[in-house]
Amino acid sequence: DTAVSQTPKYLVTQMGNDKSIKCEQNLGHDTMYWYKQDSKKFLKIMFSYNNKELIINETVPNRFSPKSPDKAHLNLHINSLELGDSAVYFCASSGAGTSGTLYTDTQYFGPGTRLTVL
Amino acid sequence: GENVEQHPSTLSVQEGDSAVIKCTYSDSASNYFPWYKQELGKGPQLIIDIRSNVGEKKDQRIAVTLNKTAKHFSLHITETQPEDSAVYFCAASQFAGNQFYFGTGTSLTVIP
Repeated sequence: DTAVSQTPKYLVTQMGNDKSIKCEQNLGHDTMYWYKQDSKKFLKIMFSYNNKELIINETVPNRFSPKSPDKAHLNLHINSLELGDSAVYFCASSGAGTSGTLYTDTQYFGPGTRLTVL
Repeated sequence: GENVEQHPSTLSVQEGDSAVIKCTYSDSASNYFPWYKQELGKGPQLIIDIRSNVGEKKDQRIAVTLNKTAKHFSLHITETQPEDSAVYFCAASQFAGNQFYFGTGTSLTVIP
């Protein structure tokens, strides 16, 4: 069973378009995150949601808007895509859950979404 | 805020040799230190972690050591195998808030 899943895995789009990436976790966690990984492999936190409320919002253009309809989902919507948005975006989750995870603050990552803006 | 530095950025070892990756952190309040392995095209996967109340933890060929006084921690992989080739990330965190601060990654290549 997939713990943290993301769709789509690949996303190729033109500059100026609006796109969304979806994330779902079945670990029963209460905190979810979005990270951006650039071409040099740096992992940078973008957002963190706890029980559907925003708790971390790093310096990210307001073209990026996270939406958490419930604890198990955290979607990322990006408006007016730019070339510099090309990267791999990872969703992660953490927190006490129903899966029997031993540590309450370990983060578990999804497989990533490779976004290419042309 | 926390600053995590990771060295080396690239590491090549012969199969069967040991590999060591080192990280330093700046915030003495950090008390949770996970290590992640990222294979090509995949998301980071937790391989081992350590909390500030212990100095060493081992899981088969992988071990992590923590020196709280010096604020550094290290990943040790013994008897390396080609499948250990990946990018490894260290991170530091505190329990409250769950903000993870990642190192810049180490690309490990195990040469058969």
